[in-house]
Amino acid sequence: AQKVTQAQTEISVVEKEDVTLDCVYETRDTTYYLFWYKQPPSGELVFLIRRNSFDEQNEISGRYSWNFQKSTSSFNFTITASQVVDSAVYFCALKDTGRRALTFGSGTRLQVQP
Amino acid sequence: GAGVSQSPRYKVAKRGQDVALRCDPISGHVSLFWYQQALGQGPEFLTYFQNEAQLDKSGLPSDRFFAERPEGSVSTLKIQRTQQEDSAVYLCASSWGQRGAETQYFGPGTRLLVL
Repeated sequence: AQKVTQAQTEISVVEKEDVTLDCVYETRDTTYYLFWYKQPPSGELVFLIRRNSFDEQNEISGRYSWNFQKSTSSFNFTITASQVVDSAVYFCALKDTGRRALTFGSGTRLQVQP
Repeated sequence: GAGVSQSPRYKVAKRGQDVALRCDPISGHVSLFWYQQALGQGPEFLTYFQNEAQLDKSGLPSDRFFAERPEGSVSTLKIQRTQQEDSAVYLCASSWGQRGAETQYFGPGTRLLVL
């Protein structure tokens, strides 16, 4: 069965600090996909990134970067020089070949203080 | 282009009432998903459509929940005889393909409160 664990329930940082959100996953499949979504107070889930299990290259997009490590089943997300607009709940999700639906973690609430 | 839209955005129902939640997916998207998100939790899968066919309804919590997508575009999630435990945000998502690997794009959700 699939499982996603986001152990950090809430993180509070001051603007311009770097912050890393942890995600650990479990799956028996060798082919799977990992996602990060952002949920601002408005409620809509905003897609951030998708990674395939066979591509372990880390990725950087502006102030965002992702570290995918199959050896530790982790897919961590780092925000560099955080801004108040980054305040939201961030969800990590997994999709393997067993089902079409996403399995989500419980989310990490990030608060960036000015 | 337009994203996924959902209506109503907020719904208050008295216990025992029936409710209908609507989802308009991104135009051309074949796959449509419904998720339920309880307060402080991650979304949980309810059901999945490929065009008009409901291929997976394993997440529907009871036979009071029913979903349809008769013409392969707009979908309706219906909850009969609502209970307080049905209070949650109901999220709809769509993806363009049917292989299952495509990214799901979410709507703003319908926040249901059952009194």
